[in-house]
Amino acid sequence: QVQLVQSGTEVKEPGASVKVSCKTSGYTFTSYLIQWVRQAPGQKPEWMGWIFADSGDTRYSPNLQGRLTITRDTAASTAYMELSRLRSEDTAVYYCAREKVGDAGFDPWGQGTLVTVSS
Amino acid sequence: QSAVTQPASVSGSPGQSITISCTGTSSDIGAYNYVSWYQQHPGKAPKLMIYGVINRPSGVSDRFAGSKSGNVASLTISGLQAEDEADYYCTSHIPNNPYVFGSGTKVTVL
Repeated sequence: QVQLVQSGTEVKEPGASVKVSCKTSGYTFTSYLIQWVRQAPGQKPEWMGWIFADSGDTRYSPNLQGRLTITRDTAASTAYMELSRLRSEDTAVYYCAREKVGDAGFDPWGQGTLVTVSS
Repeated sequence: QSAVTQPASVSGSPGQSITISCTGTSSDIGAYNYVSWYQQHPGKAPKLMIYGVINRPSGVSDRFAGSKSGNVASLTISGLQAEDEADYYCTSHIPNNPYVFGSGTKVTVL
């Protein structure tokens, strides 16, 4: 079955960077987008960006442009999300999810990765 | 893109039907059929319930149905069950623009 498995909990100091991985299985990696979404405690989800796993094309939220980099390794069927210059407001659970191009539906989602930014 | 608004809470008794609204504008929900609905239980990842306004992914109960009228999309849950108690989020998408999540609705089964 289709699975997205994310890397584990991270604790970072302000100003540092974090890189979260999303290892996929059960489908053809290059046929889909990988979306990244984060959710701060008690808040609604926030869309961060996507990567088309085939071409590597990316699109980022204007709110995160300049700090966010999404990459992929097709041989490993894995996508990565790196967020730099972390601040306390970046504390959230970070999710990856698969999207079929043109569907605008994220399915399934990874289990989530808690990133805490604290000094 | 403008904010997408949902009621903060909706409740119903077991077996009843409830409807959650998702209000956008003529530029987003009114113009495109890129509306999705997600169910999220506490501490869990969201789960896709509806995509493309009306489509149900494989494995999602047919008690869940999506619709749209003008600038308002809706999710109807029929035959309400205890397991339906969760937060629900809609998303609206304009091609080549950011995805926008709705404000979220807490569904309570009385």
